[in-house]
Amino acid sequence: DAKTTQPPSMDCAEGRAANLPCNHSTISGNEYVYWYRQIHSQGPQYIIHGLKNNETNEMASLIITEDRKSSTLILPHATLRDTAVYYCIVRVAVSGTYKYIFGTGTRLKVLA
Amino acid sequence: DAGVIQSPRHEVTEMGQEVTLRCKPISGHNSLFWYRQTMMRGLELLIYFNNNVPIDDSGMPEDRFSAKMPNASFSTLKIQPSEPRDSAVYFCASSRDAGVGGGYTFGSGTRLTVV
Repeated sequence: DAKTTQPPSMDCAEGRAANLPCNHSTISGNEYVYWYRQIHSQGPQYIIHGLKNNETNEMASLIITEDRKSSTLILPHATLRDTAVYYCIVRVAVSGTYKYIFGTGTRLKVLA
Repeated sequence: DAGVIQSPRHEVTEMGQEVTLRCKPISGHNSLFWYRQTMMRGLELLIYFNNNVPIDDSGMPEDRFSAKMPNASFSTLKIQPSEPRDSAVYFCASSRDAGVGGGYTFGSGTRLTVV
């Protein structure tokens, strides 16, 4: 079962910041938080990941609370092409490797 | 970098027929994952391999499903016999070192329709 909960949908005005929340209250100390997005019926696309520090890359920023029980993905200037389903995932270690269990995600709609 | 390559992109088959989906991971990636996506169940992890060895196939729905990875550059997911409820988009993903760094790279998927 997924270890994360997300709101099912959100709207955001084009050009504004999109803040997507995620709860992962049962996360373990060495488990990373990953974010992916899926545009229409394409394969999911990696966005960003983090352990406990805030992270930023060319796509987004990831803010993780100090207790690590929740995080927020920030798209600083949302465009219409950012309309997608966004998945927050806790990476689980198993048998010398890792796996991702996808939840239901947040459907973000960027409005013109 | 051609990315993860899946074939075919679309497959329509009759119930009872054997279906084989193919995946070529990114060169140098040593972990490979098969997912299935439906409207009802979302993205489900079916099976994954590390260094060509199956690690966990607990997500495979039934014995009708089987997966192989004969070498580092090729994997197959087979359904025999196929049923209408197997209709879904099947994604393959690969990563280096189980995605410790930049996560998985997904293919474009195979849309399977069983009639």
